Amino acid sequence: DIQLTQSPSFLSASVGDRVTITCRASQGINTFLAWYQKKPGKAPKLLIYIASTLQSGVPSRFSGSGSGTEFTLTINSLQPEDFATYYCQYLNRDPTFGGGTKVEIK
Amino acid sequence: QITLKESGPALVKPTQTLTLTCTFSGFSLNTRGVGVGWIRQPPGKALEWLALIFWNDDERYSPSLKSRLTITKDTSRNQVVLTMTNMDPVDTATYYCVYGDFDYWGQGILVTVSS
Repeated sequence: DIQLTQSPSFLSASVGDRVTITCRASQGINTFLAWYQKKPGKAPKLLIYIASTLQSGVPSRFSGSGSGTEFTLTINSLQPEDFATYYCQYLNRDPTFGGGTKVEIK
Repeated sequence: QITLKESGPALVKPTQTLTLTCTFSGFSLNTRGVGVGWIRQPPGKALEWLALIFWNDDERYSPSLKSRLTITKDTSRNQVVLTMTNMDPVDTATYYCVYGDFDYWGQGILVTVSS
């Protein structure tokens, strides 16, 4: 089974900062990776799929990169509404999630 | 417009079986390639994928929960049903129904397991 490890699990940042979150897969998964934003009381929101494709309607300050076993989600110029928990997910028929990265206000 | 909505009990007792229903609109589970799945999130914990069912009756289950889960579909009613046996307090979570590409989600239903 594929395992996804996110780092860091928690980060503190300020509005306007550039934030990078890493997701490492236990074995190569090509670019079959998605990123989600999760806020309390809300359903997860798909941000990026196939590692780097921005979902329709998602602001361009969000970007994804990587392939194989290492992936990153970058948020340029963090906005107040971006404080949330972010999850990576393996995009296949056994779609496991990473452990999450909580982005909090410094 | 794709919508999904979860329904089921808010409270179940330990050892009982949980049955959750996802009622959807805006797509058909008879369409090639389409699937519906279930995800959960215990309070303060990470998202956890549970099960998926596809248009061709292919069923996929989380390996760690496979023995307790069953997912079925009723295409005439546009519903997908998840059953989870032998519920335990650690299964307390918000359960989400999701369209197979994970771009449309239900609002979630909080299920508490307590005697």
